[in-house]
Amino acid sequence: AQSVTQLDSQVPVFEEAPVELRCNYSSSVSVYLFWYVQYPNQGLQLLLKYLSGSTLVKGINGFEAEFNKSQTSFHLRKPSVHISDTAEYFCAVSDTGGFKTIFGAGTRLFVKA
Amino acid sequence: DTEVTQTPKHLVMGMTNKKSLKCEQHMGHRAMYWYKQKAKKPPELMFVYSYEKLSINESVPSRFSPECPNSSLLNLHLHALQPEDSALYLCASSPDLLAGGYEQYFGPGTRLTVT
Repeated sequence: AQSVTQLDSQVPVFEEAPVELRCNYSSSVSVYLFWYVQYPNQGLQLLLKYLSGSTLVKGINGFEAEFNKSQTSFHLRKPSVHISDTAEYFCAVSDTGGFKTIFGAGTRLFVKA
Repeated sequence: DTEVTQTPKHLVMGMTNKKSLKCEQHMGHRAMYWYKQKAKKPPELMFVYSYEKLSINESVPSRFSPECPNSSLLNLHLHALQPEDSALYLCASSPDLLAGGYEQYFGPGTRLTVT
């Protein structure tokens, strides 16, 4: 069985500062990894995904994530955040069979002026 | 068109009512999903359809009844709900189910309140 742990429930950060949202997963099989963002009163939107290949993945809105197989991590980073990045961020994993996607508990990113 | 639409946006219903939620996508996706999301929680999978057949039912109570009339449409029929069923109901689609590398495209959700 797979699981996803997002290590921080809330991350406050000042505008233009860098940010890292942490995600660890556990699985006995190969997995695909995703980061989704949810703005208030909206559905989820894909930021980026890792399927294979380069361990550094670039996504939309200036976000990137690094897959680390030995540490079973997939941390999300942005070098300089904006007020508009305030949202809930979900890390997710699916196995290569693809039937289900498991979501982490979410991290609330709060960007302060 | 990379949009998943859901109607209605908001729904208030009594415990004896029958109502339906509707979801539509025109991306040619063959997998469609219903999720339930409570406040400050991640989405919880309810049902998955693959090629218009129900593939996954996550032990959802029978007062929730999904239907996939065609490859573009997904309905969720509601009957005799409880107040604890109040939540945001999200629909999603993906190109295929068996290849897990596909991301899901989410609709904006229906905010359901059961009184």
